[in-house]
Amino acid sequence: GIQVEQSPPDLILQEGANSTLRCNFSDSVNNLQWFHQNPWGQLINLFYIPSGTKQNGRLSATTVATERYSLLYISSSQTTDSGVYFCATTTGSNTGKLIFGQGTTLQVKP
Amino acid sequence: AAGVIQSPRHLIKEKRETATLKCYPIPRHDTVYWYQQGPGQDPQFLISFYEKMQSDKGSIPDRFSAQQFSDYHSELNMSSLELGDSALYFCASSSIRDRITDTQYFGPGTRLTVL
Repeated sequence: GIQVEQSPPDLILQEGANSTLRCNFSDSVNNLQWFHQNPWGQLINLFYIPSGTKQNGRLSATTVATERYSLLYISSSQTTDSGVYFCATTTGSNTGKLIFGQGTTLQVKP
Repeated sequence: AAGVIQSPRHLIKEKRETATLKCYPIPRHDTVYWYQQGPGQDPQFLISFYEKMQSDKGSIPDRFSAQQFSDYHSELNMSSLELGDSALYFCASSSIRDRITDTQYFGPGTRLTVL
């Protein structure tokens, strides 16, 4: 099955710093989503981005489907950005089940 | 906007007991997915339903069963609970009919603790 790898596994930032999180996938994908899991466990949708670039406030994401990777950019990080960031994809089977990466744990220090 | 509703939010059970988790998808969404997230792990797909029929099955134990009802809500039934079943259980919904995006929207999760 498809493999999804995220890097780095852990990241510590000072408040106000910028960061880039990477998601590599081993096969062509129909769907790619980025999530933020907050310290209370809630999975919050950030982007649906199977290709192209999107921006939402301080966050933006780019997926280059032909090269099988996606990037999540966080600018001017805040302590509330702390948590685990997951990327997840579906494959050509169209059943829709998401395959998650192992996540990047981000800690933003004040 | 309405979101996915899950109940209960927290559940504590003893070993060998049964548990039922409920999921109410976003209105007009026709597809429901269940995921299990163990401590420090990424969410793992369990099972999905489209228009009340099972559409896919992942690594769901035989002790677990699920169904989707006529009003599109879904229930995950778990029997003979084991310590290893302690996890966060997410329900997600999407709309196959939505041709623009098949984004899955996740509920807040049910945290199951088996003692």
